[in-house]
Amino acid sequence: GAVVSQHPSRVICKSGTSVKIECRSLDFQATTMFWYRQFPKQSLMLMATSNEGSKATYEQGVEKDKFLINHASLTLSTLTVTSAHPEDSSFYICSARDGLAGLETQYFGPGTRLLVL
Amino acid sequence: SQQGEEDPQALSIQEGENATMNCSYKTSINNLQWYRQNSGRGLVHLILIRSNEREKHSGRLRVTLDTSKKSSSLLITASRAADTASYFCATDATSGGGNKLTFGTGTQLKVEL
Repeated sequence: GAVVSQHPSRVICKSGTSVKIECRSLDFQATTMFWYRQFPKQSLMLMATSNEGSKATYEQGVEKDKFLINHASLTLSTLTVTSAHPEDSSFYICSARDGLAGLETQYFGPGTRLLVL
Repeated sequence: SQQGEEDPQALSIQEGENATMNCSYKTSINNLQWYRQNSGRGLVHLILIRSNEREKHSGRLRVTLDTSKKSSSLLITASRAADTASYFCATDATSGGGNKLTFGTGTQLKVEL
């Protein structure tokens, strides 16, 4: 089946620094990618939807200047957490839709655990 | 906003028993999906049921969908200790010109030996 990878799987950074998380579709072209955030023992909350070559659409309450999303190619989307603070510590999960497989098919990455000290 | 509410929030059963989880949602959907997540890990897609379907089976899983009540249930039969995980429903709906998957609050299932 289709695979989505994320890198890094875990990252620890100091408060005030920026962290970039990569999401790649490994054997398909992802016309749309999604970024979710999950706090401990909670559900996944959609942060933003990105389409290749266009600006991301952010969910209400998500700061676009803090969470920069770049979907530069059909196989790569990046999420940059700028000026990270301890409250940004979370599990970030991306997912990708296979443009040829239909709108129902969405594949999830393994997640990136971010700890901001 | 959170689309789905799941109950129970937590469920503890003995191995061999059946586990039933329920999901309610608020708006029209294209399909509803169930996912499993082991602690601290990624999501595993379990099953998808379309809005025009009422019931679907996959191995020990049985999913029902009642669009008039905007609810779904996931039944795991003959549970095993390895089924211990969090289970989430997710509704696929069209919004703002695109399709979005919105997750429910989740049920933490513990299957004891």
